[in-house]
Amino acid sequence: DTGVSQDPRHKITKRGQNVTFRCDPISEHNRLYWYRQTLGQGPEFLTYFQNEAQLEKSRLLSDRFSAERPKGSFSTLEIQRTEQGDSAMYLCASSPKITDTQYFGPGTRLTVL
Amino acid sequence: SQELEQSPQSLIVQEGKNLTINCTSSKTLYGLYWYKQKYGEGLIFLMMLQKGGEEKSHEKITAKLDEKKQQSSLHITASQPSHAGIYLCGAVPLGKSSGDKLTFGTGTRLAVRP
Repeated sequence: DTGVSQDPRHKITKRGQNVTFRCDPISEHNRLYWYRQTLGQGPEFLTYFQNEAQLEKSRLLSDRFSAERPKGSFSTLEIQRTEQGDSAMYLCASSPKITDTQYFGPGTRLTVL
Repeated sequence: SQELEQSPQSLIVQEGKNLTINCTSSKTLYGLYWYKQKYGEGLIFLMMLQKGGEEKSHEKITAKLDEKKQQSSLHITASQPSHAGIYLCGAVPLGKSSGDKLTFGTGTRLAVRP
């Protein structure tokens, strides 16, 4: 397995701009999760997919956030009209259906100026 | 909602010393996970505990889950500089299924002095 990959690793944007992050899970993992981590805190759940179906969304996921997993493989997380409070590390994890261990990617660090 | 408290928040130990990190839940757990995070990077899975009283070891790291499944400890024997990082416990509460979202503690920051 090549592991979970995320792109980009770092993103600096100006307030009000839109950004999109990509996550490629471990091959054949049908569950995919997005978390957000701010400085000094543990990751907080945002949303998760089973195959292409988005099964749960946190109240942290405002209407400016949207996530997709169109073919049940990679996923994208888009933030529209970014705010300074969106600055964080965005982590993606995947899990195979047999076990429940979530394996994390390296994260995308977003800085909103 | 479930909360996980980790203690201590930070720890500095001399190389070769043993240390213990604790994770306490306000609710009974379905499963408890330990991860390690290097600063600015993703989480590395260490161990998962699911049964009350369960204990697992990997190299010099041992994790235990109490009988009530509300408290876990992570013990490192003969610490090395490579053990430095942030240790996070994550949990799925009882009543949820495997593969559900994880709730995390705030982490324990470990530094190991050579």
